[in-house]
Amino acid sequence: DSGVTQTPKHLITATGQRVTLRCSPRSGDLSVYWYQQSLDQGLQFLIQYYNGEERAKGNILERFSAQQFPDLHSELNLSSLELGDSALYFCASNGGGAYNEQFFGPGTRLTVL
Amino acid sequence: DQQVKQNSPSLSVQEGRISILNCDYTNSMFDYFLWYKKYPAEGPTFLISISSIKDKNEDGRFTVFLNKSAKHLSLHIVPSQPGDSAVYFCAASKAGTASKLTFGTGTRLQVTL
Repeated sequence: DSGVTQTPKHLITATGQRVTLRCSPRSGDLSVYWYQQSLDQGLQFLIQYYNGEERAKGNILERFSAQQFPDLHSELNLSSLELGDSALYFCASNGGGAYNEQFFGPGTRLTVL
Repeated sequence: DQQVKQNSPSLSVQEGRISILNCDYTNSMFDYFLWYKKYPAEGPTFLISISSIKDKNEDGRFTVFLNKSAKHLSLHIVPSQPGDSAVYFCAASKAGTASKLTFGTGTRLQVTL
C-alpha cells in the first residue's frame, strides 16, 4: 500500500460527459502528479500541483483541468469526453525523496462509451 | 519525442536465472533514473533508483546499472522469482520540485518455473 488513494476505481460514462477523479496523497506529501496510461503505453505526465499551486504541465488537453485543495487532496476534471480519453489515470505524490521517487495510487480506469 | 525507451516489450526468464531489463534515454539533462514494477489493476510500485552521478545501485536482488556515455541503463534481477512477473517501467526525472517522471513504454517480464 503506497498510502496514495484514488477514487473511484472504475468509471464508465458516455461521450460528451464530464467526470471528476479524486486523489489523496501520502500523509505529509505536498506534491501531487497526474498521469495517463492508454492501452499498454507508458505513463504520460499530465500535470503537477505543489502545495495548492500548479507547478508543471505536460500533455494535458484543454478539456482537462485539475486543482489541489488546502487539505492537499487533488481532483482531475475531464470534460467533453471522447472515446480516446478511455485510459487509466494515476495519481502520485512525493515528499522530496533523494531520487524524486513518486508513490502511485491504484488508478482510476475510465471507460468512455 | 520518446525521451525514454524500452525496446523490448517482453522478456521470459526461468526461475532462478538473471533477468536483465534495458532502457535507453536521449535527454542528458536527467538527474535520476527509476524503475517501477506494475501488476495488473495496481499502480506502479517504486523499485530502485540511481543518480546520474553513479554507475551502480544495489538493493537486495535488484541492481541498476547506468552507462551515461551510452545513455543506457539496465535493471538486473538475481535470482528471478515467479512473483517478479510484472511490467517494469523505466523512468527518468530532473532534480527539483517540478520533477515529473518521464516513462518508457514498459517491458513485460514473465518468470517461468
